[in-house]
This record gives sequence, structure tokens and C-alpha cells, in this order.
Amino acid sequence: QVQLLQSGAEVKRPGSSVKVSCKVSGGSFSSYGFNWVRQAPGQGLKWMGGIIPVFGTAHYAQGYQARVTISTDESTNTIYMELRSLRYEDTAVYYCARDGTIRGSYDFWGQGTLVTVSS
Amino acid sequence: QSALTQPRSVSGSPGQSVTITCTGTRSDVGVYDFVSWYQKHPGKAPKLMIFDVTKRPSGVPDRFSGSKSGNTASLTISGLQAEDEADYYCSSYAGSYTFVFGTGTEVNVL
Repeated sequence: QVQLLQSGAEVKRPGSSVKVSCKVSGGSFSSYGFNWVRQAPGQGLKWMGGIIPVFGTAHYAQGYQARVTISTDESTNTIYMELRSLRYEDTAVYYCARDGTIRGSYDFWGQGTLVTVSS
Repeated sequence: QSALTQPRSVSGSPGQSVTITCTGTRSDVGVYDFVSWYQKHPGKAPKLMIFDVTKRPSGVPDRFSGSKSGNTASLTISGLQAEDEADYYCSSYAGSYTFVFGTGTEVNVL
């Protein structure tokens, strides 16, 4: 069974960075897409970016492109999302999700990681 | 990459049908048949309900169906059940491996 296990909750200061990990087990790693989606309190889902490990190039939503980096470590089947220059409004639950068709069908999700930006 | 437009909420009684619309543009919903729908309960990860406009993953009841016409995709829940009460989000491919979610719809079972 495919499982995506994310790193634990984080509390960060404004202006700092956070790096969230997502370890994939139970399935192929390279031939699927992996994406990051966030949900701020009381708000909807927002797509941040994604990567297909076999191709290696990450793609980002326009609103996050300057501050986010998505990367992979194929030796450990782990995907990372780093968000820089954190703002209070970046407080959210961040999810990683596997794209099973490379066309946006997110069939397996991580449990979510709460990132709180607070002074 | 503006969010796809969904109604804020829809309601129905048990056994009834409800339809959620998802309106995009000629750059996303209108040009790609890669629309997905997700069910989200509070505190839980989203669950894939429909992909590629009309396809249901294994284990999703056939009460859930999807369709698309022009720039608007739709999710219909037939035979509404209490456990269907949740938030629903559409998502569309938008080219160059980028995606956009809808604004989300709260489904209330009366």
C-alpha cells in the first residue's frame, strides 16, 4: 500500500524558512508526479507546485514561484518543499500528494504538516 | 492562475441529488479533460473522488459522477447520504504541469 509520511509540525518566525519532507513508501517513486497543496485556516486548497522525479524539473504556481523550491531525493524516496521569507499568512497545513496519472489525479496524500508562522 | 469558481454551498436532503459546478477558462477546464474532484472532511487529507472529468477511482461509490461542458465541469452526487457532508474541490490541469483548484463547495445534508 502506498503511503506518504510527512515531517512534523513546525513553528517559524516571520522571514525565516521551513522545509517539509514527504517520504513515499509502497510504490514506484520516479514515474509518478508529486505535488504540494496547502490549506490556510478557513480557506480552500491551493496548489503550490509539483515535480515528476524522472524528469527532475519542478513547476510552481505563480504566487509561490519566487519563494518555494520543490526537490527530491531518489535514494530515500523523499520529496521536499522549502518555503522562504515566511509571512504570517503562510500559516497553513501543507500536504504532499501523489499524482497517479501525471494529469492531476492526486490519489494518495500525506497526513499534512501544520506550519505556524508566529513571532 | 486564478482559482476555479465554485458555489460556496449546496444543500440537499438524504436521497436527493446535488450538483456542484466548477467554472474555469479556456486555459484550463475548457481545453483539458483533466478535471479532478476531491472530498475533504475537517482535519483529514483530501480524497480523490473523480479524475479525468468522469472516471471514478476504485472504491468510490457510483453515486458520484462527473461531467464537463465548455469551461464548466460538474460533480453530481446522487442518492445523497449523511456521510457525503463535506467540502468538495475541483482541480484542473492548466498546462506545463501546473494545476489550479476551485474555491471549494460545502455540501450540507439537511
